[in-house]
Amino acid sequence: GESVGLHLPTLSVQEGDNSIINCAYSNSASDYFIWYKQESGKGPQFIIDIRSNMDKRQGQRVTVLLNKTVKHLSLQIAATQPGDSAVYFCAESYDAGKLIFGQGTTLQVKP
Amino acid sequence: DGGITQSPKYLFRKEGQNVTLSCEQNLNHDAMYWYRQDPGQGLRLIYYSQIVNDFQKGDIAEGYSVSREKKESFPLTVTSAQKNPTAFYLCASSLRHTHTGELFFGEGSRLTVL
Repeated sequence: GESVGLHLPTLSVQEGDNSIINCAYSNSASDYFIWYKQESGKGPQFIIDIRSNMDKRQGQRVTVLLNKTVKHLSLQIAATQPGDSAVYFCAESYDAGKLIFGQGTTLQVKP
Repeated sequence: DGGITQSPKYLFRKEGQNVTLSCEQNLNHDAMYWYRQDPGQGLRLIYYSQIVNDFQKGDIAEGYSVSREKKESFPLTVTSAQKNPTAFYLCASSLRHTHTGELFFGEGSRLTVL
């Protein structure tokens, strides 16, 4: 079936540096692509989404890029902080809110 | 504060026993969802409900059952038919016709079968 995957299980960055988390997807018919952040022992939190007809969307310290040609999604976090340490999931939305989640990338921020 | 409350946070069960996980929301959302999360993996959809008294199977519904008698509540029963029930269970809610995929998640319930 369709699946959304992430390139790296773990990403380690220095505090203050920019982080880039990547994701490859296979279902080109999805309406939206979403990033969630999950801290240890908690439920995922919505970070940002991007509609399939857009290439880029910016939020507060985060930017999501969508490359439909190669079916690639990325999340950029500017000036990474210790509080950004978490597991990040990409997901694609289809059929009114049903999501397909990727496997997650663990972001470790070194002080 | 508005949000989703799951209980219990931790639950232990003997093989062959059914167990029910509670999920309550006060966000006035029509849609509610149950996901299962296994270590190192993404979330998989068990059941979802777009409106009271109606629900649909997700990708891994076998061995689970749900009910949606009230808008605020969407309990999940893990039955003895579920072959590998040890997992982290997440409940979520959203506006009924959300296309963006913005779900609001609870804190999760961790079920361990002894």
